[in-house]
Amino acid sequence: DVKVTQSSRYLVKRTGEKVFLECVQDMDHENMFWYRQDPGLGLRLIYFSYDVKMKEKGDIPEGYSVSREKKERFSLILESASTNQTSMYLCAIRKQTSGRAPDEQFFGPGTRLTVL
Amino acid sequence: QKEVEQNSGPLSVPEGAIASLNCTYSDRGSQSFFWYRQYSGKSPELIMFIYSNGDKEDGRFTAQLNKASQYVSLLIRDSQPSDSATYLCAVKSYGTASKLTFGTGTRLQVTL
Repeated sequence: DVKVTQSSRYLVKRTGEKVFLECVQDMDHENMFWYRQDPGLGLRLIYFSYDVKMKEKGDIPEGYSVSREKKERFSLILESASTNQTSMYLCAIRKQTSGRAPDEQFFGPGTRLTVL
Repeated sequence: QKEVEQNSGPLSVPEGAIASLNCTYSDRGSQSFFWYRQYSGKSPELIMFIYSNGDKEDGRFTAQLNKASQYVSLLIRDSQPSDSATYLCAVKSYGTASKLTFGTGTRLQVTL
């Protein structure tokens, strides 16, 4: 079965720090996504990647960057964390051959980031 | 801006009743529709998907799609307390590289 892991469940950082959130999948899925989820705003796409070194901006990329050097790992980077980046961050992969639906996205457990 | 709208709730139904969750979308080019369930503190999990107009049933769940009205719904029959969660509607538009647009979710409470 598909396994998506995220580096931390809970993270507390200070304003101005550089923050790395890691997402690792255990199969050869090409498409990976980073979302943030906030009450009343739902899931919003930050960045996604459709292959190694390939990335595209989502709906709210400002203040974030990403890195995908290997197929199984997709990192979200907060260059200089701010309090308005306090949120739940969810990584997802598109299940290509093993999913019930061709565009099904499968989510990792999430990282709750607090920026003080 | 492609939009997916859901009533935030909470929608409260008694145990054993039918819960009806609704979603509207703005992009007529939308082609795939998904319902995710999210328990508090957990990540979303897919429970239903539908591509064609009409109904699709899976156990106690039925997804209904009406593309002319740009409307998709989820019915949960014989609602159980374990169905209490937030239900997210997600839509994929044509040619958007597998990107999904999510609604803000409807919180369902099934009462004893």
